[in-house]
Amino acid sequence: SQTIHQWPATLVQPVGSPLSLECTVEGTSNPNLYWYRQAAGRGLQLLFYSVGIGQISSEVPQNLSASRPQDRQFILSSKKLLLSDSGFYLCAWSVWGTGADIQYFGAGTRLSVL
Amino acid sequence: QKEVEQDPGPLSVPEGAIVSLNCTYSNSAFQYFMWYRQYSRKGPELLMYTYSSGNKEDGRFTAQVDKSSKYISLFIRDSQPSDSATYLCAMKGDSGAGSYQLTFGKGTKLSVIP
Repeated sequence: SQTIHQWPATLVQPVGSPLSLECTVEGTSNPNLYWYRQAAGRGLQLLFYSVGIGQISSEVPQNLSASRPQDRQFILSSKKLLLSDSGFYLCAWSVWGTGADIQYFGAGTRLSVL
Repeated sequence: QKEVEQDPGPLSVPEGAIVSLNCTYSNSAFQYFMWYRQYSRKGPELLMYTYSSGNKEDGRFTAQVDKSSKYISLFIRDSQPSDSATYLCAMKGDSGAGSYQLTFGKGTKLSVIP
């Protein structure tokens, strides 16, 4: 069966510090991978998605970037965090071409920028 | 008009009640309709999905889609305290550019009181 791992679960970082959040998927090949941010009262916002190694699409211009160095690894980064980067970050995966293309989510990382 | 509207609640019901959760949408291209359940500080987990119009039942949960009215519902029978969570509706198109993208409602927070 497929599983998705996301870490760390909680992170407190000072403004201006770098960020690296990692997500890995097991039990499937060539998944679509997604990074979302969930802010209170604002719903889920798609930040990046990837359909393959090295292929990243950005949905929202911002202080963040994403990379996919391996088939089942997706990394969210920032060189300098802003206060506005605080939020709940979720990684998700899906398998393209399965009709519904259902997305399955990780447990999330709660980021607080102080 | 937002693409997907969902009453944020909070909705509080006694244990054993029938719960009705709803979303309306404006994009007639949506064909897949999902319901996710999200416990506090956790990632969303898929409850059910349906394709096009109709009903789908899974245990105590029933999903309904009325494409003519652009209205979807999730019913929970014999609600339990363990059903207390935020429920997110999500939807996507069938094919073509951007059809991987899920459009989410902001979620309805449900509390089932023992």
